[in-house]
Amino acid sequence: QKEVEQNSGPLSVPEGAIASLNCTYSDRGSQSFFWYRQYSGKSPELIMSIYSNGDKEDGRFTAQLNKASQYVSLLIRDSQPSDSATYLCAGTANFGNEKLTFGTGTRLTIIP
Amino acid sequence: KAGVTQTPRYLIKTRGQQVTLSCSPISGHRSVSWYQQTPGQGLQFLFEYFSETQRNKGNFPGRFSGRQFSNSRSEMNVSTLELGDSALYLCASSEGASNYGYTFGSGTRLTVV
Repeated sequence: QKEVEQNSGPLSVPEGAIASLNCTYSDRGSQSFFWYRQYSGKSPELIMSIYSNGDKEDGRFTAQLNKASQYVSLLIRDSQPSDSATYLCAGTANFGNEKLTFGTGTRLTIIP
Repeated sequence: KAGVTQTPRYLIKTRGQQVTLSCSPISGHRSVSWYQQTPGQGLQFLFEYFSETQRNKGNFPGRFSGRQFSNSRSEMNVSTLELGDSALYLCASSEGASNYGYTFGSGTRLTVV
């Protein structure tokens, strides 16, 4: 069983709409979660981190964490073509002394 | 502040050879992690080093090894290369704990022929 699972997509969203990306995890000990964006041919770039239940907003991005249901999500408002990328969800347990485990990623395409 | 630097960017090796990849973390970062990325498997964790000690290890065969030097620079070595080792190898650094998140280097693209 994968520790972090994502819908591999691809996900297509019209420009200006909200893109919703979801991730579930199996390890209840996971404490910290991250969303990375990876453009084709580039390395992953950290865009959001979340540690507590609830929502965390940063510009057009909102991360949501629900530890009881073991899911993490990322909302992208007012989607732009430049948001087209693969989004990777990652989690770690034990307050940081464990490895960071990644999902396989969701490919997002914003349609102009 | 310089980012994570990986060298070389590209490598072509023959089956059976060995290869060494290098990673220089962000200044002040003591944790270095290595990942293998392939289209089918995504990002697979290889190992993590913190203050010259291997702190975590993934499920890779013993042909994959690494080390970290006192200046936090890290190397990974793959011996007896197989075709399936062709991948993008990514190094990531962190201040210390993984819950700070990682900063990735540009990666080394290894092709085994």
